[in-house]
Amino acid sequence: SAVISQKPSRDICQRGTSLTIQCQVDSQVTMMFWYRQQPGQSLTLIATANQGSEATYESGFVIDKFPISRPNLTFSTLTVSNMSPEDSSIYLCSVPDGGGTEAFFGQGTRLTVV
Amino acid sequence: AQSVTQLDSHVSVSEGTPVLLRCNYSSSYSPSLFWYVQHPNKGLQLLLKYTSAATLVKGINGFEAEFKKSETSFHLTKPSAHMSDAAEYFCVVSDMIIQGAQKLVFGQGTRLTINP
Repeated sequence: SAVISQKPSRDICQRGTSLTIQCQVDSQVTMMFWYRQQPGQSLTLIATANQGSEATYESGFVIDKFPISRPNLTFSTLTVSNMSPEDSSIYLCSVPDGGGTEAFFGQGTRLTVV
Repeated sequence: AQSVTQLDSHVSVSEGTPVLLRCNYSSSYSPSLFWYVQHPNKGLQLLLKYTSAATLVKGINGFEAEFKKSETSFHLTKPSAHMSDAAEYFCVVSDMIIQGAQKLVFGQGTRLTINP
């Protein structure tokens, strides 16, 4: 199994600012996924991050709002830009196992925008 | 596109009684299905997964689920609930595969409450 570390675990931010969330994996992975879990809701995929190429965003999510970096096979960042209270959510990164049949998740970053 | 519907947003049972969390899926092909659990302020943990092998899947902590293609269901059960089972449970279906990794589609979640 993969061990995923996310930083920060939680943050309270002012509206209009940006927050960068880091995801570190203890093994090399080709694909990393970023999810959002709004309060009381399920998880929604934001984007898929492949090392060495642009991230692929799901419908409703754009690069200007959620820029993603993937500098190597063990690390990725997600930035939540120009935040508003509606961005208050838990953000999670995820990686697949070697066989692609299981996903491992980080502990999540609980973001509150005030 | 694949989708899952969790039929109950909240289930409440007494400790020691059976647990049933219901999930129906929609898929144009034979899907992979999962149940994940999310304890308060903790990450998601895989309970069990179905990947076209045995239709009755056993998972951790005494949970199991049965894949029923005719009913497009993948309900999660446990014979006897424990207080530590109180959590949010997500039924998940695999969508497309990207470079060997499955995109996952999550259900809305079922909050399980255990009464003493």
